[in-house]
Amino acid sequence: AQRVTQPEKLLSVFKGAPVELKCNYSYSGSPELFWYVQYSRQRLQLLLRHISRESIKGFTADLNKGETSFHLKKPFAQEEDSAMYYCALLNTGFQKLVFGTGTRLLVSP
Amino acid sequence: DAGITQSPRHKVTETGTPVTLRCHQTENHRYMYWYRQDPGHGLRLIHYSYGVKDTDKGEVSDGYSVSRSKTEDFLLTLESATSSQTSVYFCAIRKANYGYTFGSGTRLTVV
Repeated sequence: AQRVTQPEKLLSVFKGAPVELKCNYSYSGSPELFWYVQYSRQRLQLLLRHISRESIKGFTADLNKGETSFHLKKPFAQEEDSAMYYCALLNTGFQKLVFGTGTRLLVSP
Repeated sequence: DAGITQSPRHKVTETGTPVTLRCHQTENHRYMYWYRQDPGHGLRLIHYSYGVKDTDKGEVSDGYSVSRSKTEDFLLTLESATSSQTSVYFCAIRKANYGYTFGSGTRLTVV
Protein backbone atom coordinates (compact mmCIF):
# COMPACT_ATOMS: atom_id res chain seq x y z
CA ALA A 1 0.00 0.00 0.00
CA GLN A 2 1.15 3.52 -0.63
CA ARG A 3 1.99 5.81 2.24
CA VAL A 4 3.42 9.27 2.66
CA THR A 5 5.09 10.24 5.92
CA GLN A 6 5.85 13.76 7.05
CA PRO A 7 7.45 13.34 10.45
CA GLU A 8 7.33 16.97 11.58
CA LYS A 9 4.01 18.58 12.47
CA LEU A 10 5.65 21.95 13.00
CA LEU A 11 8.90 23.43 11.81
CA SER A 12 9.84 26.80 13.23
CA VAL A 13 12.78 28.78 11.81
CA PHE A 14 14.02 32.34 11.67
CA LYS A 15 13.97 34.43 8.53
CA GLY A 16 17.04 33.75 6.41
CA ALA A 17 17.65 30.29 7.85
CA PRO A 18 17.67 27.18 5.65
CA VAL A 19 14.59 25.04 5.61
CA GLU A 20 14.11 21.33 4.98
CA LEU A 21 10.69 19.74 5.20
CA LYS A 22 10.95 15.98 5.24
CA CYS A 23 8.85 13.57 3.22
CA ASN A 24 9.24 9.81 2.96
CA TYR A 25 7.10 7.52 0.93
CA SER A 26 6.36 3.86 0.34
CA TYR A 27 5.06 2.74 -3.02
CA SER A 28 5.63 -0.39 -5.01
CA GLY A 29 5.57 1.28 -8.40
CA SER A 30 7.43 4.20 -9.91
CA PRO A 31 6.48 7.19 -7.77
CA GLU A 32 5.09 10.51 -8.91
CA LEU A 33 5.59 12.97 -6.07
CA PHE A 34 4.34 16.46 -5.38
CA TRP A 35 4.54 19.23 -2.82
CA TYR A 36 1.45 21.32 -2.16
CA VAL A 37 1.27 24.49 -0.09
CA GLN A 38 -1.71 25.93 1.74
CA TYR A 39 -1.56 29.49 2.99
CA SER A 40 -3.83 30.45 5.82
CA ARG A 41 -7.39 29.25 5.05
CA GLN A 42 -6.78 29.16 1.33
CA ARG A 43 -6.97 26.38 -1.23
CA LEU A 44 -4.09 24.01 -1.75
CA GLN A 45 -1.72 25.07 -4.49
CA LEU A 46 0.78 22.96 -6.33
CA LEU A 47 4.29 23.98 -5.36
CA LEU A 48 6.48 21.35 -7.00
CA ARG A 49 6.33 18.04 -8.80
CA HIS A 50 9.39 15.91 -9.13
CA ILE A 51 9.04 15.15 -12.84
CA SER A 52 9.43 18.81 -13.75
CA ARG A 53 12.52 19.38 -11.58
CA GLU A 54 11.72 23.07 -11.35
CA SER A 55 12.23 25.59 -8.59
CA ILE A 56 9.26 27.55 -7.37
CA LYS A 57 9.59 30.46 -4.91
CA GLY A 58 13.12 29.27 -4.18
CA PHE A 59 12.01 25.79 -3.14
CA THR A 60 13.48 22.63 -4.60
CA ALA A 61 12.91 18.95 -3.99
CA ASP A 62 14.86 15.96 -5.20
CA LEU A 63 13.50 12.47 -5.43
CA ASN A 64 15.82 9.97 -3.74
CA LYS A 65 14.60 6.51 -4.63
CA GLY A 66 17.24 4.81 -2.49
CA GLU A 67 16.04 6.57 0.64
CA THR A 68 12.43 6.83 -0.63
CA SER A 69 12.45 10.51 0.18
CA PHE A 70 11.32 13.73 -1.44
CA HIS A 71 12.43 16.44 0.97
CA LEU A 72 11.55 20.07 0.29
CA LYS A 73 14.36 22.58 0.71
CA LYS A 74 14.92 26.30 0.62
CA PRO A 75 18.26 27.94 1.42
CA PHE A 76 16.87 31.15 2.94
CA ALA A 77 13.40 31.16 4.46
CA GLN A 78 11.11 34.19 4.14
CA GLU A 79 8.24 35.18 6.41
CA GLU A 80 5.81 34.73 3.53
CA ASP A 81 6.80 31.06 3.38
CA SER A 82 4.83 30.46 6.55
CA ALA A 83 2.16 27.96 5.53
CA MET A 84 1.08 24.35 5.67
CA TYR A 85 3.03 22.06 3.36
CA TYR A 86 1.80 18.70 2.14
CA CYS A 87 3.77 16.02 0.38
CA ALA A 88 1.68 13.84 -1.94
CA LEU A 89 2.12 10.67 -3.94
CA LEU A 90 0.16 9.85 -7.06
CA ASN A 91 -1.16 6.32 -7.29
CA THR A 92 -1.04 6.13 -11.05
CA GLY A 93 -2.95 2.88 -11.17
CA PHE A 94 -6.05 4.35 -9.56
CA GLN A 95 -5.37 7.99 -10.40
CA LYS A 96 -5.53 9.03 -6.75
CA LEU A 97 -3.37 11.46 -4.84
CA VAL A 98 -2.29 10.29 -1.38
CA PHE A 99 -1.25 12.97 1.10
CA GLY A 100 1.01 13.10 4.10
CA THR A 101 -0.28 14.64 7.31
CA GLY A 102 1.38 17.95 6.57
CA THR A 103 4.04 20.15 8.15
CA ARG A 104 3.34 23.66 9.33
CA LEU A 105 6.25 25.96 8.58
CA LEU A 106 6.52 29.05 10.73
CA VAL A 107 9.11 31.63 9.74
CA SER A 108 9.77 34.24 12.40
CA PRO A 109 11.36 37.65 11.80
CA ASP B 1 -10.04 31.48 -11.69
CA ALA B 2 -8.98 27.91 -10.98
CA GLY B 3 -11.95 26.50 -12.93
CA ILE B 4 -13.42 24.82 -9.88
CA THR B 5 -15.90 26.16 -7.34
CA GLN B 6 -17.41 24.69 -4.22
CA SER B 7 -20.66 25.54 -2.52
CA PRO B 8 -21.52 26.37 0.13
CA ARG B 9 -18.33 27.85 1.59
CA HIS B 10 -19.57 27.44 5.13
CA LYS B 11 -22.35 25.40 6.64
CA VAL B 12 -23.59 24.58 10.11
CA THR B 13 -25.97 21.68 10.40
CA GLU B 14 -27.52 19.53 13.08
CA THR B 15 -26.62 15.95 13.85
CA GLY B 16 -28.71 13.51 11.89
CA THR B 17 -29.59 15.79 9.00
CA PRO B 18 -28.53 15.11 5.41
CA VAL B 19 -26.11 17.56 3.83
CA THR B 20 -25.03 17.95 0.22
CA LEU B 21 -21.91 19.74 -0.91
CA ARG B 22 -21.41 20.73 -4.51
CA CYS B 23 -18.30 20.87 -6.64
CA HIS B 24 -18.53 22.50 -10.04
CA GLN B 25 -15.89 22.63 -12.76
CA THR B 26 -15.87 24.61 -15.97
CA GLU B 27 -13.15 22.76 -17.88
CA ASN B 28 -14.63 19.33 -18.68
CA HIS B 29 -12.07 17.25 -16.78
CA ARG B 30 -12.76 13.59 -16.36
CA TYR B 31 -11.43 13.01 -12.84
CA MET B 32 -12.90 14.69 -9.76
CA TYR B 33 -12.21 14.05 -6.09
CA TRP B 34 -13.55 14.80 -2.62
CA TYR B 35 -11.13 15.07 0.28
CA ARG B 36 -11.58 16.01 3.90
CA GLN B 37 -8.92 17.92 5.81
CA ASP B 38 -8.44 17.38 9.52
CA PRO B 39 -5.60 18.40 11.85
CA GLY B 40 -3.15 15.56 12.29
CA HIS B 41 -4.60 13.63 9.37
CA GLY B 42 -3.82 15.81 6.41
CA LEU B 43 -6.12 15.27 3.46
CA ARG B 44 -7.93 11.99 3.14
CA LEU B 45 -9.79 10.84 0.07
CA ILE B 46 -13.51 10.27 0.54
CA HIS B 47 -14.71 9.42 -2.98
CA TYR B 48 -13.62 10.09 -6.50
CA SER B 49 -15.09 9.99 -9.96
CA TYR B 50 -13.56 9.00 -13.27
CA GLY B 51 -16.51 9.94 -15.44
CA VAL B 52 -20.24 10.54 -15.50
CA LYS B 53 -21.89 8.00 -13.19
CA ASP B 54 -18.49 6.39 -12.55
CA THR B 55 -17.42 6.75 -8.94
CA ASP B 56 -15.36 4.83 -6.42
CA LYS B 57 -14.62 4.89 -2.71
CA GLY B 58 -11.61 6.40 -1.07
CA GLU B 59 -10.12 5.62 2.32
CA VAL B 60 -12.78 7.35 4.46
CA SER B 61 -16.02 6.77 2.55
CA ASP B 62 -18.25 5.52 5.38
CA GLY B 63 -21.19 7.86 5.92
CA TYR B 64 -20.72 9.59 2.57
CA SER B 65 -22.17 9.10 -0.88
CA VAL B 66 -21.50 10.86 -4.16
CA SER B 67 -23.16 11.42 -7.46
CA ARG B 68 -21.99 12.63 -10.83
CA SER B 69 -24.82 12.96 -13.30
CA LYS B 70 -22.95 15.38 -15.54
CA THR B 71 -19.30 16.09 -16.16
CA GLU B 72 -19.19 19.46 -14.48
CA ASP B 73 -20.82 18.58 -11.15
CA PHE B 74 -19.68 16.22 -8.41
CA LEU B 75 -21.92 16.12 -5.34
CA LEU B 76 -20.96 14.84 -1.91
CA THR B 77 -23.78 13.85 0.45
CA LEU B 78 -23.53 13.17 4.13
CA GLU B 79 -26.46 10.87 4.58
CA SER B 80 -26.94 11.58 8.29
CA ALA B 81 -24.40 14.08 9.57
CA THR B 82 -22.42 13.29 12.71
CA SER B 83 -20.06 15.42 14.76
CA SER B 84 -17.12 13.38 13.47
CA GLN B 85 -17.87 14.75 10.02
CA THR B 86 -17.10 18.29 11.13
CA SER B 87 -14.26 19.12 8.80
CA VAL B 88 -13.08 21.14 5.85
CA TYR B 89 -14.00 19.48 2.57
CA PHE B 90 -12.00 20.03 -0.58
CA CYS B 91 -12.91 19.12 -4.09
CA ALA B 92 -10.20 18.60 -6.70
CA ILE B 93 -9.96 18.05 -10.43
CA ARG B 94 -7.14 16.32 -12.25
CA LYS B 95 -5.72 18.23 -15.11
CA ALA B 96 -3.23 17.21 -17.75
CA ASN B 97 0.18 15.96 -16.65
CA TYR B 98 -1.30 14.82 -13.33
CA GLY B 99 -1.74 18.34 -12.01
CA TYR B 100 -4.49 18.59 -9.43
CA THR B 101 -6.40 21.80 -8.85
CA PHE B 102 -8.30 22.24 -5.60
CA GLY B 103 -11.40 24.22 -4.77
CA SER B 104 -11.53 26.76 -1.99
CA GLY B 105 -13.06 24.32 0.46
CA THR B 106 -16.30 23.99 2.42
CA ARG B 107 -16.10 24.38 6.17
CA LEU B 108 -18.78 22.12 7.65
CA THR B 109 -19.74 22.14 11.31
CA VAL B 110 -22.09 19.50 12.68
CA VAL B 111 -23.64 20.47 16.02
